Amino acid sequence: QVQLQQSGPQLVKPSQTLSLTCAISGDSVSSNSAAWNWIRQSPSRGLEWLGRTYYRSKWHYDYVVSVKGRIIIDPDISKNQFSLQLNSVTPEDTAVYYCARVDSGHDWGRFEDWGQGTLVTVSS
Amino acid sequence: DIQMTQSPSSLSASVGDRVIVTCRASQSISTYLNWYQQKPGKAPKLLMFGTSSLESGIPSRFSGSGSGTDFTLIISSLQPEDFATYYCQQSWSSPYTFGQGTKLEIK
Repeated sequence: QVQLQQSGPQLVKPSQTLSLTCAISGDSVSSNSAAWNWIRQSPSRGLEWLGRTYYRSKWHYDYVVSVKGRIIIDPDISKNQFSLQLNSVTPEDTAVYYCARVDSGHDWGRFEDWGQGTLVTVSS
Repeated sequence: DIQMTQSPSSLSASVGDRVIVTCRASQSISTYLNWYQQKPGKAPKLLMFGTSSLESGIPSRFSGSGSGTDFTLIISSLQPEDFATYYCQQSWSSPYTFGQGTKLEIK
């Protein structure tokens, strides 16, 4: 049973960096059959997939165009976790952020396991 | 990007009712369609994948059908624990996109 535990600040000032971490138990961030995703949810944008990282002989990163240039998803093998950094945030980035796991042996876009969610508010 | 459109956006129903939620994709996604159930304050939970395959532990009163651009989620006999918001999501191509949700409320 895979469990994902999120942590990170819930209040971020405009123009600063949003940083969240997702700790993994029951799987490995460097698994050759998993992918590690971030998804956010807001009333205005609904559920929005932000991007993923996965290891297949080397690390791969995919990001949605709407945040490309501002986002980094970074694996941490030593702590078996992965993180989200979103730079230059605005109030539009206020949302509940979720980490989620995909078993790529099933389907690259099937989100089977989710973190508990973190409401991040962007406000001065 | 593939747009996913659900209808209705909200629905009032009673325990025991049969409920149908529809989802339309802006282009063909074959059967790469997943459904999630979300309760207030919780993460979405995978309910069904590949249009019609139930995730482990999901009761058989849930069923799904469709292919190409048009899909349905059917709950054959609503139970109290089914009142929640339901989202469709395409996994045909990145970026993976979700419908806007259907909120199922008690009549």
